[in-house]
Amino acid sequence: QQQVKQSPQSLIVQKGGISIINCAYENTAFDYFPWYQQFPGKGPALLIAIRPDVSEKKEGRFTISFNKSAKQFSLHIMDSQPGDSATYFCAASKDGGTSYGKLTFGQGTILTVHP
Amino acid sequence: DTEVTQTPKHLVMGMTNKKSLKCEQHMGHRAMYWYKQKAKKPPELMFVYSYEKLSINESVPSRFSPECPNSSLLNLHLHALQPEDSALYLCASSRGSRGSTDTQYFGPGTRLTVL
Repeated sequence: QQQVKQSPQSLIVQKGGISIINCAYENTAFDYFPWYQQFPGKGPALLIAIRPDVSEKKEGRFTISFNKSAKQFSLHIMDSQPGDSATYFCAASKDGGTSYGKLTFGQGTILTVHP
Repeated sequence: DTEVTQTPKHLVMGMTNKKSLKCEQHMGHRAMYWYKQKAKKPPELMFVYSYEKLSINESVPSRFSPECPNSSLLNLHLHALQPEDSALYLCASSRGSRGSTDTQYFGPGTRLTVL
């Protein structure tokens, strides 16, 4: 119930293409879904996040699509660039109580964008 | 400024050594976190401090001892570690608002090697 399943494990995209990473969750108590980007040797950095009351959120080339009924959400990277090559983690969290502070991470997707 | 700093960047220690990892933030955040991250895996939560009090301990072995001297500083004291404890140790901080949208900001991590 606490899992977030992420796919694919790795993804290779040509420069200018669209990168799509998918996540699915089971626990309907989750109400916040951030995506983190991590470059080698660095800590994860918040990329974009969504709450389940909206179906889509866009920030620049990055878009989250959210399907509450299917309990799925995805990250789309438009016009992918070599500088986007990194590991991407989806995550989920829920309000307060004993879960305070806990992010449940997906297993990560290693994205490689070829020039 | 959304910076979390961690020192040292790299640490090599023997199984009988005692060492400490340090984390600092000046964003006025009141929640601070320690994570452990193995290669190609998501971060795993170890401890959460809220308003300088330990609020979550994810059943971490006692050879890891956290300390929060004040709201800006977080330490992780290490003693009698095992080689399998070698990992990237990440510190994070957040406002401490107890809601699910309390965004966590990560530091660059300390790469720990236990010989």
